[in-house]
Amino acid sequence: GESVGLHLPTLSVQEGDNSIINCAYSNSASDYFIWYKQESGKGPQFIIDIRSNMDKRQGQRVTVLLNKTVKHLSLQIAATQPGDSAVYFCADLLRGFGNEKLTFGTGTRLTIIP
Amino acid sequence: DTGVSQDPRHKITKRGQNVTFRCDPISEHNRLYWYRQTLGQGPEFLTYFQNEAQLEKSRLLSDRFSAERPKGSFSTLEIQRTEQGDSAMYLCASSRWASGKSYNEQFFGPGTRLTVL
Repeated sequence: GESVGLHLPTLSVQEGDNSIINCAYSNSASDYFIWYKQESGKGPQFIIDIRSNMDKRQGQRVTVLLNKTVKHLSLQIAATQPGDSAVYFCADLLRGFGNEKLTFGTGTRLTIIP
Repeated sequence: DTGVSQDPRHKITKRGQNVTFRCDPISEHNRLYWYRQTLGQGPEFLTYFQNEAQLEKSRLLSDRFSAERPKGSFSTLEIQRTEQGDSAMYLCASSRWASGKSYNEQFFGPGTRLTVL
């Protein structure tokens, strides 16, 4: 079936450095791609989304890049802080008859080293 | 805190018992979703409601699972005759869906962690 997967399960980054989390997707019909952050004991928290007709979108300290040619998505976090330590999921969203069902990948655990 | 609450936060039960979880979405949100998340995995879609109507159920939702949203506000998810494989985090999310709008962000609750012994 269709899936959204991640290249790396863990990533350690020095505080203050930039981090890049990668994601591969297989459903070329997806309408949106979304990044979620999940801290221990909490539900996923929305970070940023990108529509399938865009290549890049920037938020506060985060940038999402979408390469539809190779079906690749990345999340860049600038000047990482200890609070960025969490598991990051990419998800794709396919709109069909009004349903907005998210399909999540496995997740990457980001650890910020002080 | 996203404004979506779930109760209980943790539930330990014995195999064969029935359990029920509750989700209270953000008050003006017309859509409510249930997801299941096992350790190390991303959430998997189970079912969703628009107001009180259950519009889609995943194949993951066996006959032992039932969800309701009787008044279009809070929702319950019941698992009958629990099995050890039901152990997971059950997440609820809500959104304010409007047709033609760009992505309608889903706000997740903290989840209910179920352990079946």
